[in-house]
Amino acid sequence: GESVGLHLPTLSVQEGDNSIINCAYSNSASDYFIWYKQESGKGPQFIIDIRSNMDKRQGQRVTVLLNKTVKHLSLQIAATQPGDSAVYFCAETRNDMRFGAGTRLTVKP
Amino acid sequence: DADVTQTPRNRITKTGKRIMLECSQTKGHDRMYWYRQDPGLGLQLIYYSFDVKDINKGEISDGYSVSRQAQAKFSLSLESAIPNQTALYFCATSLNNEQFFGPGTRLTVL
Repeated sequence: GESVGLHLPTLSVQEGDNSIINCAYSNSASDYFIWYKQESGKGPQFIIDIRSNMDKRQGQRVTVLLNKTVKHLSLQIAATQPGDSAVYFCAETRNDMRFGAGTRLTVKP
Repeated sequence: DADVTQTPRNRITKTGKRIMLECSQTKGHDRMYWYRQDPGLGLQLIYYSFDVKDINKGEISDGYSVSRQAQAKFSLSLESAIPNQTALYFCATSLNNEQFFGPGTRLTVL
């Protein structure tokens, strides 16, 4: 079946290091992808998006890479800070939005 | 995000009870959604609405119903709650493809 999933359920990084969170998807018809951040006790919050006609998009300290050949999406966070500790979800949009299970990022001081 | 509010924030109920979760938004968005989140899993879409009186089933609509009587309000009902409906429920609105989530309602069915 089709799915959106993450390679690793947890990721621990040192403050100041770069973080890379990965996501795999299986529907080649997906044309829009979003990364969300969910802090404890809060709803998901939009971070960055990318359309399928792009392979890279940059925001403030974040970069999303899309590899359509292997159906892989990644979120890179530069100079990771304690405030980046959260669960990160990728989501793909076809007719509706499907979410992956999430990766918990922990930033060690 | 205070633009999307959910009530109640926490609810404990018993099996067989009818429960309604409310969602209100001040963003003026036409599209609204209800999701549930279980531990270790991503968000699963229950129902969505693209306009007043427009209702569409999501991935896991069985056991749930919704009502969209006004642009700003989208309510989710559990007609006869069961323990496996214990979860965190999120309402969201969207403009284009970006979604804005409410703070969530934690529902426990005993």
